[in-house]
Amino acid sequence: NAGVTQTPKFRILKIGQSMTLQCTQDMNHNYMYWYRQDPGMGLKLIYYSVGAGITDKGEVPNGYNVSRSTTEDFPLRLELAAPSQTSVYFCASSYGTGPPDEQFFGPGTRLTVL
Amino acid sequence: DAKTTQPTSMDCAEGRAANLPCNHSTISGNEYVYWYRQIHSQGPQYIIHGLKNNETNEMASLIITEDRKSSTLILPHATLRDTAVYYCIVRHTGANSKLTFGKGITLSVRP
Repeated sequence: NAGVTQTPKFRILKIGQSMTLQCTQDMNHNYMYWYRQDPGMGLKLIYYSVGAGITDKGEVPNGYNVSRSTTEDFPLRLELAAPSQTSVYFCASSYGTGPPDEQFFGPGTRLTVL
Repeated sequence: DAKTTQPTSMDCAEGRAANLPCNHSTISGNEYVYWYRQIHSQGPQYIIHGLKNNETNEMASLIITEDRKSSTLILPHATLRDTAVYYCIVRHTGANSKLTFGKGITLSVRP
């Protein structure tokens, strides 16, 4: 199993550009999550999904959109990129039952907005 | 979910036990204590969780005080690869329960 994969690994955007961060998991997990991590800080939840077709906002959803058309994929869309969105983005997945309901994280996407 | 308080950093010698403390004085009865760690630039990794009994797995031990207001993660024989940020998280197990990461404690294992 590859686990949770994310693409791209790195990206530089100009202010106002848009992009989609890709996330795929092959563990048949129901739950998927997007977090962002600013330097020296913990992770903050952006959006999450409890199954295909169901998404909900986390702590910091402004400026982002998500969709969940399949169990495996959970892309994160940035519209009108801003310097404040410079961060490392982590995708995670879990079964959604437990405990422990262990979350498995991808390697991250490092995004810089200039 | 209850808030947790951790020291900012600590270090220990390689081969010695690393004892990482966490305070969670407002924890409620249905909330579990979770520990994750994040090795530099990687995604966080689950270590262990517990409710009120002490727990042990292949990675670590978790000691929870009887009143559940604090806990200690123990890495019995720390190695250089254990250098990481360790997050103590309190989380209930209801629907849509989520992980809330604080700043964690930075553990530095020295040779």
